[in-house]
Amino acid sequence: DAGVIQSPRHEVTEMGQEVTLRCKPISGHNSLFWYRQTMMRGLELLIYFNNNVPIDDSGMPEDRFSAKMPNASFSTLKIQPSEPRDSAVYFCASSLNQGLETQYFGPGTRLLVL
Amino acid sequence: KQEVTQIPAALSVPEGENLVLNCSFTDSAIYNLQWFRQDPGKGLTSLLLIQSSQREQTSGRLNASLDKSSGRSTLYIAASQPGDSATYLCGGTSYGKLTFGQGTILTVHP
Repeated sequence: DAGVIQSPRHEVTEMGQEVTLRCKPISGHNSLFWYRQTMMRGLELLIYFNNNVPIDDSGMPEDRFSAKMPNASFSTLKIQPSEPRDSAVYFCASSLNQGLETQYFGPGTRLLVL
Repeated sequence: KQEVTQIPAALSVPEGENLVLNCSFTDSAIYNLQWFRQDPGKGLTSLLLIQSSQREQTSGRLNASLDKSSGRSTLYIAASQPGDSATYLCGGTSYGKLTFGQGTILTVHP
């Protein structure tokens, strides 16, 4: 298995632009998680899906952030409009059994908003 | 709300030493406790997962323990090697959500 796949690996954009991050979970996993990692706040859960349905989005910072999972093999995290404080590494992870098993992380997308 | 704390924040040891990393959590209604390794610029790699009904898990030179009553977990690394240098993160799963500590940066020097 290729593991969790994320794209792009790096993104540099200007403030106000729309940013879309993509994730392909491990085949057969029914849970998908989006995390953000910064030096100041560490690793934070933004939102997670079970069977393509958003379960908890309480970690999404504000309305500028949105996430979708149109099918079991694809998810997006969108920031519109982006701001410099959104600069961080965004990780996607997937697991079996509604997140109660080991989570497998993708390599992350390093986002820089200028 | 689950809060996870890791001590120490950084640790530097000579090669061959045995070491212990500590993790504490506030909500005892924890489903499992996971230890991860993160290399610079990389994603997280799962090392060990301990279910709430278990006391410990072992994988090679790694042993993780869980004490729900005291809200603590430890990761024991035996005979450390320079290749063990990385950031080690623990995370507790409660109500389907995994909450991470800030991590311990481990450096093993030859």
